[in-house]
Amino acid sequence: GENVEQHPSTLSVQEGDSAVIKCTYSDSASNYFPWYKQELGKRPQLIIDIRSNVGEKKDQRIAVTLNKTAKHFSLHITETQPEDSAVYFCAASLGDKFYFGSGTKLNVKP
Amino acid sequence: DAGVIQSPRHEVTEMGQEVTLRCKPISGHDYLFWYRQTMMRGLELLIYFNNNVPIDDSGMPEDRFSAKMPNASFSTLKIQPSEPRDSAVYFCASSLSKGQRPQHFGDGTRLSIL
Repeated sequence: GENVEQHPSTLSVQEGDSAVIKCTYSDSASNYFPWYKQELGKRPQLIIDIRSNVGEKKDQRIAVTLNKTAKHFSLHITETQPEDSAVYFCAASLGDKFYFGSGTKLNVKP
Repeated sequence: DAGVIQSPRHEVTEMGQEVTLRCKPISGHDYLFWYRQTMMRGLELLIYFNNNVPIDDSGMPEDRFSAKMPNASFSTLKIQPSEPRDSAVYFCASSLSKGQRPQHFGDGTRLSIL
């Protein structure tokens, strides 16, 4: 199956700074890469996704990049705000299944 | 759309008891997934269904766990007998099969086995 690794496990930034979370995957057949945000005690919620035929996608302060050759993808959050504090999960879709990273706990300090 | 609906939101019971978790997927979604989330192991896929048929149950930890999907709008995950190590948050998610589509998660059931 697929193996997704996510780094860092924790990330602390000052409000207004940028945050970058990186994931790698092992199976080149993976073709869809969603990112989820999970606030404490809540469900994972989709924040952005990218398909394998696209290199970059932006949605306001959030962007995702994909390098298929290197088999890695990254989440970029600009102008971070305290409400961005949460756990972020990357995932890779292979066939019917999603393979999730281990999560990054982002803390945005006011 | 109401989203994926899970019940109960919280369950506290004593070890040895039977536990049944319930899920209603988003209408029209033909895939349903059951996950378990713990601090130690993160999000683990337990089982998933396509068109009400179980496709892959390799993540089900033991025979004490079973899941059913009797129709397109309802699924259950049952633990019998329950053990303290089953304590976790259990999420149900659903998705469309066409193309590369996201999974939508329910609010989860926080299960505590005493």
